[in-house]
Amino acid sequence: NAGVTQTPKFQVLKTGQSMTLQCAQDMNHNSMYWYRQDPGMGLRLIYYSASEGTTDKGEVPNGYNVSRLNKREFSLRLESAAPSQTSVYFCASRRVGSDTEAFFGQGTRLTVV
Amino acid sequence: SQQGEEDPQALSIQEGENATMNCSYKTSINNLQWYRQNSGRGLVHLILIRSNEREKHSGRLRVTLDTSKKSSSLLITASRAADTASYFCATVPSSNTGKLIFGQGTTLQVKP
Repeated sequence: NAGVTQTPKFQVLKTGQSMTLQCAQDMNHNSMYWYRQDPGMGLRLIYYSASEGTTDKGEVPNGYNVSRLNKREFSLRLESAAPSQTSVYFCASRRVGSDTEAFFGQGTRLTVV
Repeated sequence: SQQGEEDPQALSIQEGENATMNCSYKTSINNLQWYRQNSGRGLVHLILIRSNEREKHSGRLRVTLDTSKKSSSLLITASRAADTASYFCATVPSSNTGKLIFGQGTTLQVKP
């Protein structure tokens, strides 16, 4: 049982390049999330998908797009990477219902130069 | 702005001592959760407390919730070096139970 799988684990981009971070979960969870983690800032919600077919902005959505490809997969796209997007990105999933815990992937460390 | 703010930002104690971390939030919640993150790893869920609960225990963990003050605390008793990690609170807003909002976290160092 893999849980939440993120790819890639590490990536270096040049300013202006684009890339897609992939996330897949095998727990049949309805809700999926993308966070970024910066030193001293905790985890900030970028986008989330409360259920298949829906996506909503979180706290810091600018510069990002998401796609809920199916129930298992939720991707995060950087169309034109900027140095300010250097961060560690985490994907998480949660079963539908409010009193449920989230399960996290191992993170993607992205550096934009 | 983030839903949860944590205090202190960093905490250093000796093995065997208790560690207390506090979390404040801004809006009405359905539940509050605590997570742990070891260096360079993903987050792992520790404990969840519902808005109608005041206290919850799990092993050496004790969580309290005061909805009138919009605050929670996490107590780790008899700490061990292996408890060294960052701890985060997260809230599920009553207005949108699909969301999960994290605080800034507390970094705990337990010295052997």
